[in-house]
Amino acid sequence: DAEITQSPRHKITETGRQVTLACHQTWNHNNMFWYRQDLGHGLRLIHYSYGVQDTNKGEVSDGYSVSRSNTEDLPLTLESAASSQTSVYFCASGRGLSTDTQYFGPGTRLTVL
Amino acid sequence: GDSVTQMEGPVTLSEEAFLTINCTYTATGYPSLFWYVQYPGEGLQLLLKATKADDKGSNKGFEATYRKETTSFHLEKGSVQVSDSAVYFCALSEKAAGNKLTFGGGTRVLVKP
Repeated sequence: DAEITQSPRHKITETGRQVTLACHQTWNHNNMFWYRQDLGHGLRLIHYSYGVQDTNKGEVSDGYSVSRSNTEDLPLTLESAASSQTSVYFCASGRGLSTDTQYFGPGTRLTVL
Repeated sequence: GDSVTQMEGPVTLSEEAFLTINCTYTATGYPSLFWYVQYPGEGLQLLLKATKADDKGSNKGFEATYRKETTSFHLEKGSVQVSDSAVYFCALSEKAAGNKLTFGGGTRVLVKP
């Protein structure tokens, strides 16, 4: 069965370190998204990609970067982790139309000390 | 820009009670509307959707009708179960935005036996 996976599921890091969160999907979807979920803020879009070599900023992109070198993967990098980036991160993918469903990964809980 | 507003929780109910979660939206075009559900410790999954005005989405006993005149997409269930305890997110996707979703803040529902 097709799926979307995230790793690691939990991560503790220190302020200033670079951190990369992995996202891998086997749906063969063109579109991939990264969100963060914080209490009181719901889900906020960090970055997204509509295909290989395409990346776009979302509403909370400062301090984050992504790259898309193949269809299956969209890793999220925190260039220099800050305590404000402590959050739960979700990756999602979808085919491309506005009527299409997005499929979510299980999430990565990141703590920055 | 686009926005989604949903009632704040938590909503606490007894088993077999009627559930309504209000959702209203602001969009420039004619969006598709979604309800996603997040069970404890999991990622989001699609509960139901409606892609044009007057459409009714339904799944697992939940229903929501796309009301263009009131820009609303309220979620209802006639008789909730303990297993319906979760966080519910209303979301929209504009045609021009492809698969990109704008989420409401989420409503936590707790059903007690």
